[in-house]
This record gives sequence, structure tokens and C-alpha cells, in this order.
Amino acid sequence: AQTVTQSQPEMSVQEAETVTLSCTYDTSESDYYLFWYKQPPSRQMILVIRQEAYKQQNATENRFSVNFQKAAKSFSLKISDSQLGDAAMYFCAYRSATNDMRFGAGTRLTVKP
Amino acid sequence: SQTIHQWPATLVQPVGSPLSLECTVEGTSNPNLYWYRQAAGRGLQLLFYSVGIGQISSEVPQNLSASRPQDRQFILSSKKLLLSDSGFYLCAWSQGFSGGELFFGEGSRLTVL
Repeated sequence: AQTVTQSQPEMSVQEAETVTLSCTYDTSESDYYLFWYKQPPSRQMILVIRQEAYKQQNATENRFSVNFQKAAKSFSLKISDSQLGDAAMYFCAYRSATNDMRFGAGTRLTVKP
Repeated sequence: SQTIHQWPATLVQPVGSPLSLECTVEGTSNPNLYWYRQAAGRGLQLLFYSVGIGQISSEVPQNLSASRPQDRQFILSSKKLLLSDSGFYLCAWSQGFSGGELFFGEGSRLTVL
């Protein structure tokens, strides 16, 4: 079964600085998708960024970018120019082409003013 | 555009009482539907998913059940709640198993006393 591991339960960053959240996953499949979701205090899950495994180029969305290392099965999220509104729980997720989505335990990000 | 709604948002129930959480999706047809549970400070656990009317797959054996009476309606139920059923329940939808992201509802917080 596929597993997703987030080894950092909590992280903090100074406003305007950069922070990287780690994620590793375990799979034997070659075709899959990886995601980072944000869960603010309102609790609704919001998609931050998505990466297709067949793409070598790392996905970017404005201040959010990923470092996808397929051989190492690593998928980290980098947040640049951190803002107070970035404070939330961040979940890494894996989904194969034929199956449902699996989530990591989450990383709680605190942004200090 | 597609929207997803779930209710009630908050529920406090005594042990042994029944449960019904409802989720509806608008603006799409034949979606895959999911129920996840999030315990305090934990990641998301997949409970049920459905690929069509009357088709339910269960991930975790427990006293919860799910039903899909209509294409865009997904219901989570229990005949007798346990204390361990407390948590935050999230409904989500996706368009098939194409590797696309899941779109989440606002969530329902259940407290069993």
C-alpha cells in the first residue's frame, strides 16, 4: 500500500522568509500524482500545488514551488516570501492513476510577524 | 462551476445515538465521492468512496456506513455512535480516477459525548 510521510509535525518561519516542508512517499507504481493541500483554521482543504510524476519539471504556483525527486520518492514544498496568511496545516498527498488519494499526517506551519 | 456542500457543520451527539451527515455536489455529473475523517491533530483517513450510485467501497471496518442514493449525494451514517467517532469529517469529490485533485467540502465537526 502507498504511504505518505511528513516528518515535521510543526514548522515556523519568519514573515517574508522562505520555508521548506518535507514529504516522502512509498509506492511501486510509475504513474501517479502528488499534491500539497493547505488547511487553514477554517478547516476547509485547499489545493496548493500539484505534480504529475511523469513530468520532470518541478511545479510552481506563484510563491509556492516543489522539489520533486522521483528516484528518492521525495516531494518537498517551498514557500517563498512567507505571509501571515500562509499559517495553516499543510498535507502532502499521493494519488495513483487508478486509485484514491492518501495523505500524510500534516505539518503545522506558524508564520511569525 | 462545481460546488460541494456538506452539513451539518457542527454536531454534538450522545453515545449510542444515530448519525447522518450529508454531502451534495453541484455542477458536475458522475463524480467520485469520498468521506474522510480527521482526528484532532492527525491526517486524513479515508472511510468510504463511491464511483457511482449504490456503489460504496469501505476502507475501514467500523460502525459507520455510507450510501449514495443519487448521483451527486453522499451520506455518512451510523446507527449507534461511539466516543471514538468524534472528529472532523470531510466530504470530497473528484472527476474519476484520472489523477486529478480532490475538492473538499467545508467539513462537519462531530463530538460524541
